[in-house]
Amino acid sequence: GQQVMQIPQYQHVQEGEDFTTYCNSSTTLSNIQWYKQRPGGHPVFLIQLVKSGEVKKQKRLTFQFGEAKKNSSLHITATQTTDVGTYFCAEDSGSARQLTFGSGTQLTVLP
Amino acid sequence: DAGVIQSPRHEVTEMGQEVTLRCKPISGHNSLFWYRQTMMRGLELLIYFNNNVPIDDSGMPEDRFSAKMPNASFSTLKIQPSEPRDSAVYFCASSFDGGGYTFGSGTRLTVV
Repeated sequence: GQQVMQIPQYQHVQEGEDFTTYCNSSTTLSNIQWYKQRPGGHPVFLIQLVKSGEVKKQKRLTFQFGEAKKNSSLHITATQTTDVGTYFCAEDSGSARQLTFGSGTQLTVLP
Repeated sequence: DAGVIQSPRHEVTEMGQEVTLRCKPISGHNSLFWYRQTMMRGLELLIYFNNNVPIDDSGMPEDRFSAKMPNASFSTLKIQPSEPRDSAVYFCASSFDGGGYTFGSGTRLTVV
C-alpha cells in the first residue's frame, strides 16, 4: 500500500522551543490522521485532515494538509514537558479504510 | 465508555505455546484492527474487520497467526505456536466509518 515518510525520526528541544514534524507521500492522500503516543502508552487520536490546504489548531498544536494532499505537518508552539512522546501521521488508503502509520517522530522536551 | 479493552496487559510465555489476545471494541464502532508494534518495524497492521467480517489479513505474518471476531463486541488474536520473534506490543483499535481510531492499552507479549 501507500507509504508515508515521516521526518525527523527524533527531535530534542528545550522547553519553550517550537517543534515540527513532517509527513510526505509520493501519492495523493484521501486524508491524513495524527496520533500521539506517550512513552509506555498507546496511540491517541489527535485529528483528521481531509481538505486540500486545510489548517486546524488545537491549542498550541497546528496541523496542516498540503495543497496537493501529499504532505502534512504538525507544529507545536512553545513545547512543554507534557508534549513528550512519539507523534505519528497515518494515511487512509480510502476505500480500504485502514490506516498505514508513518514511522513516527519521537519528541523529547528538556526542562 | 471504558474505551477499547484488551487483555491480558502482559503475557510471558514459552516458545511453542499458544497465546490468545483479547479485545473488546467500543460499542457502536463497526471496524476493528489488530496492530503490532516493535522498535524495528513500528506499527504494523495485522488484520482488519468491518462489521465483524475480516476484510484484509495481508499483514498477518504467517499461518501461526489467526484472528476471529465472533460478534461486534469481541475479537481474539491467536498465535500458535509462539516464537521469540513474536515478542511485541499488540494493539487492538476500533473506529466508526473511517473516523479516528481508539486504541486499547495493548498487550505486551514476551516469548522466551
